Amino acid sequence: EDQVTQSPEALRLQEGESSSLNCSYTVSGLRGLFWYRQDPGKGPEFLFTLYSAGEEKEKERLKATLTKKESFLHITAPKPEDSATYLCAVSSSNDYKLSFGAGTTVTVRA
Amino acid sequence: GAVVSQHPSRVICKSGTSVKIECRSLDFQATTMFWYRQFPKKSLMLMATSNEGSKATYEQGVEKDKFLINHASLTLSTLTVTSAHPEDSSFYICSANSGARGLEQFFGPGTRLTVL
Repeated sequence: EDQVTQSPEALRLQEGESSSLNCSYTVSGLRGLFWYRQDPGKGPEFLFTLYSAGEEKEKERLKATLTKKESFLHITAPKPEDSATYLCAVSSSNDYKLSFGAGTTVTVRA
Repeated sequence: GAVVSQHPSRVICKSGTSVKIECRSLDFQATTMFWYRQFPKKSLMLMATSNEGSKATYEQGVEKDKFLINHASLTLSTLTVTSAHPEDSSFYICSANSGARGLEQFFGPGTRLTVL
């Protein structure tokens, strides 16, 4: 069974204070690792897909990296609008199912 | 691209009634759609997977007669909560995958169900 563990559970940052979120995973065979952003009362918004170790993807202040055991989501010089819950998920099956972590709630203070 | 809508966004119903939630992929054909349930400050719990034209596959512990899923077309899936009770109150979210676009699931905005 796939397992995804995210840390920390919550992260409070000052505006401009860069930090990283961790996603550790255990799968039988990784087909893809996904990062989503979720705002309160909304559905998750797709951010990145990573397929193999060493891969990196960037979008604005966010950068996702992948190793064989974990993924990091780096937030560079965050702004208050980056406040959200960030979810990590993995796919290891042929039926497109995702296994989600519990998420990291990021709060950025101005 | 990859926009998924849900309707209604919020519904309040009396105990014992049935509620239908629609999920539509607006700009792509969704070969597979998923239904999730999310409790406050918790992650997403997969309820079922549906493929167009075939019966849904339910996760362990999810009552298929309680949560009826119909994937009638490549752009529409519906979830009907039958004989709803207060414990069914939750945030229900659908997602869609086109297959051709890759492994990503694209999520709808969610439906907040409150059963009185």
